[in-house]
Amino acid sequence: AQSVTQLGSHVSVSEGALVLLRCNYSSSVPPYLFWYVQYPNQGLQLLLKYTTGATLVKGINGFEAEFKKSETSFHLTKPSAHMSDAAEYFCAVIRSDAAGNKLTFGGGTRVLVKP
Amino acid sequence: EPEVTQTPSHQVTQMGQEVILRCVPISNHLYFYWYRQILGQKVEFLVSFYNNEISEKSEIFDDQFSVERPDGSNFTLKIRSTKLEDSAMYFCASSEGMTGAADTQYFGPGTRLTVL
Repeated sequence: AQSVTQLGSHVSVSEGALVLLRCNYSSSVPPYLFWYVQYPNQGLQLLLKYTTGATLVKGINGFEAEFKKSETSFHLTKPSAHMSDAAEYFCAVIRSDAAGNKLTFGGGTRVLVKP
Repeated sequence: EPEVTQTPSHQVTQMGQEVILRCVPISNHLYFYWYRQILGQKVEFLVSFYNNEISEKSEIFDDQFSVERPDGSNFTLKIRSTKLEDSAMYFCASSEGMTGAADTQYFGPGTRLTVL
């Protein structure tokens, strides 16, 4: 079975500061990894995903994440936070051999951006 | 941009009643999913649906739950006899079905179900 751990349920950053959200996974087979963002009263929106190839993945809104197999991590970063980045962020994993495409989510990290 | 829609946005029901949550997936997508999020807990997979049958279901998806694609556009989740612990936000999602597990799943805004 696969699982995802997001370190820190809440993160507070100043506008313009680095955003770093941590995600560690476990999977018995090579995983595909995803970051989703949820703005208030909205559904989950894909930020970026890693499937194969380059381990540094760039997504929307200036976010990027790096897949590190040796560390079983897929941390999300953004060099400079903007007020509009205030949202909840979810890391998710799926088995690359999944028949039913079941996503397993972490607990989420809520980001607060201070002016 | 195409999006997944869900109705209603909020449903309140009495314990023991049947509810049907409705979703319109993105039109050319072939895979459909339901997830739920109990307040303060993780988003949990319930079921995936492809080619008019269930592909995978979680242990949560017991005999009280069923899914259906009644026509070419809707995808529904039925809970036959609701329990208090069914109170949650229910998300529908869909994906193209072209790249298997690598597919991006597109989520709707959710239906908040409150069981009294």
